[in-house]
Amino acid sequence: DVKVTQSSRYLVKRTGEKVFLECVQDMDHENMFWYRQDPGLGLRLIYFSYDVKMKEKGDIPEGYSVSREKKERFSLILESASTNQTSMYLCASCRGTAFYGYTFGSGTRLTVV
Amino acid sequence: AQSVTQLDSHVSVSEGTPVLLRCNYSSSYSPSLFWYVQHPNKGLQLLLKYTSAATLVKGINGFEAEFKKSETSFHLTKPSAHMSDAAEYFCVVSEGDRDDKIIFGKGTRLHILP
Repeated sequence: DVKVTQSSRYLVKRTGEKVFLECVQDMDHENMFWYRQDPGLGLRLIYFSYDVKMKEKGDIPEGYSVSREKKERFSLILESASTNQTSMYLCASCRGTAFYGYTFGSGTRLTVV
Repeated sequence: AQSVTQLDSHVSVSEGTPVLLRCNYSSSYSPSLFWYVQHPNKGLQLLLKYTSAATLVKGINGFEAEFKKSETSFHLTKPSAHMSDAAEYFCVVSEGDRDDKIIFGKGTRLHILP
């Protein structure tokens, strides 16, 4: 069964901490994505990557950065966590175009206190 | 620019009755359209997709959706709701010139009444 695995299901971090959210896929997909999900706002794209070491900003990149050193791993970094970054974070991957559908991880619920 | 609007944030139906979740889209291109489902504390799962083949698309778990270009709609239906259908449903459109990037609606939470 193909998988996108997010390393943590729940995280609690303090304001100002540097936070790493890890995502690994085992499907050899080229494209990987980070979204945040908030009630009433749906999913909003933070960053995406088409290939190793490539990244592009999504709709809400402020306060975030990403790293993709290997094809299977896409990390989201909160440089200095703030309370307004408390959210559910979802990682996804797809092969080529969206025609094939995205595969999502189970999500990481991050609380910044 | 592409966009998608889910017309209801919450829908409640009784078990065994039909389900209708409404979605309208805006697109400058021939869109690809999708429905995803998210069960509590789970990631999103692809239910079905439309990609310019048949306008009536069948998905998993008895769901189907019909693409109506004249109405710019892609409503999700199921003849008979089951308790396990309780979840949040997202209508999604792909950007015509960037088929690897998709835009999500804000979601419709489906409640099933016993």
